[in-house]
Amino acid sequence: GAGVSQSPSNKVTEKGKDVELRCDPISGHTALYWYRQSLGQGLEFLIYFQGNSAPDKSGLPSDRFSAERTGGSVSTLTIQRTQQEDSAVYLCASSLFGTEQNEQFFGPGTRLTVL
Amino acid sequence: AQSVTQLGSHVSVSEGALVLLRCNYSSSVPPYLFWYVQYPNQGLQLLLKYTTGATLVKGINGFEAEFKKSETSFHLTKPSAHMSDAAEYFCAVGGGSNYKLTFGKGTLLTVNP
Repeated sequence: GAGVSQSPSNKVTEKGKDVELRCDPISGHTALYWYRQSLGQGLEFLIYFQGNSAPDKSGLPSDRFSAERTGGSVSTLTIQRTQQEDSAVYLCASSLFGTEQNEQFFGPGTRLTVL
Repeated sequence: AQSVTQLGSHVSVSEGALVLLRCNYSSSVPPYLFWYVQYPNQGLQLLLKYTTGATLVKGINGFEAEFKKSETSFHLTKPSAHMSDAAEYFCAVGGGSNYKLTFGKGTLLTVNP
C-alpha cells in the first residue's frame, strides 16, 4: 500500500512569509509525528497527534509554528513569518498506534529553504 | 529524559569489510531501541528494533544489533559491507510512556570499492 507522503518536496520562500507543509499518513494509522532535520542537529521531535488531538506539542520551537490534523488523517504544519533558521527538512511519520513499540513510518520529507 | 550518542559522524569501510556503527543511549525507563537508515533524498526506513526479549536483533539487509544493558549500548553491525549500504544511519530510543523517538545525530556510512 501507499506509504507516508509529503508535499511539497521542496519549498523555497522569502524570510517573513508563511508556509504550509502537508503530510498524508498511511491509511488507518492513528498516530502522526512531525520531526525537523537540520544540519548538525539530527532529528528533532516537533509534535505528536493521536487522532486529531495533539497531546504533545513540546517540540515546537516557537509560537510561529503550529500544526493541525483533520479527519484523523492529513496534517498540516504551518510556519508563520519564516526565519532563515527555519531552513531544514521537515519529516512526517505515522504509526498504527501512538505507543513506543509501534514502528514509525517516515515520509520523504519537505526541504524548506528560507532566503 | 532520554538521549542517544552515536560515536563517529562519518564511518568509511571497504566493500566486504565489517560494518560497525556505535550507539549509546541514556534512559530512565527500560528502553526501546531502533536503527533507521536514510538514503539520499528519502525518508527514514526501519532497519531493526529492540523492545523486549532476545538482545540480539536481526534486521533487514543483513544488519543486526545487540542490546547490552550493562554498557547502555546498541551497536549496529554487518559482517560484509556492500556498496548499496552507503547511507546515513540513525539510532533512536523510545520507551515508557514516551511515544516519541529521540534520535542520535546520525552516522554517514561510506563504502569504498
